[in-house]
Amino acid sequence: KQEVTQIPAALSVPEGENLVLNCSFTDSAIYNLQWFRQDPGKGLTSLLLIQSSQREQTSGRLNASLDKSSGRSTLYIAASQPGDSATYLCAASTNAGNMLTFGGGTRLMVKP
Amino acid sequence: DAGITQSPRHKVTETGTPVTLRCHQTENHRYMYWYRQDPGHGLRLIHYSYGVKDTDKGEVSDGYSVSRSKTEDFLLTLESATSSQTSVYFCAISENRGLAGNTIYFGEGSWLTVV
Repeated sequence: KQEVTQIPAALSVPEGENLVLNCSFTDSAIYNLQWFRQDPGKGLTSLLLIQSSQREQTSGRLNASLDKSSGRSTLYIAASQPGDSATYLCAASTNAGNMLTFGGGTRLMVKP
Repeated sequence: DAGITQSPRHKVTETGTPVTLRCHQTENHRYMYWYRQDPGHGLRLIHYSYGVKDTDKGEVSDGYSVSRSKTEDFLLTLESATSSQTSVYFCAISENRGLAGNTIYFGEGSWLTVV
């Protein structure tokens, strides 16, 4: 059974800092890994999807990497802003139905 | 934003009563999912559908049933609600299956309290 872990559970940084969020998974036979953002009281918004054959994906200030052999993914946020404050979740898909196993999330606060 | 509407958005119900949550999509996506989100457990898959009248169980399906009679609608029913089913329920959709996978889009959530 796939298990996904995110450390740390919470992170507070000053504005402008570059930061890395970590995601680890136990079953390396994944089809893809996705990173999501969730604002309080809201649904999830997909940020980046990395296919199993890819090593990384970039969108603006966000860069996600995938290392299947070590069971790890990272989300790099450059030049953080207060608007980046949210909970970030990673999720691994281990079947073609795109059913996801989620990590517990990292709650990020970026202080002005 | 993907066209996903969940209803009701908030509901309080009594133990033992039936409850139905509705998910409506305007994207004509093949796959639809119901997740629940709980503190300490994260998001867990309840049921999913891969087409009209085609559904299957997820990780935490006990006490829940689903139906999909039209592409655009996916219903989640709690036959006899229990306090352990107090949660936030999210509907999600994705375009198709395959090794590559596709981006999954989530609705805004339905807050259910069972008293």
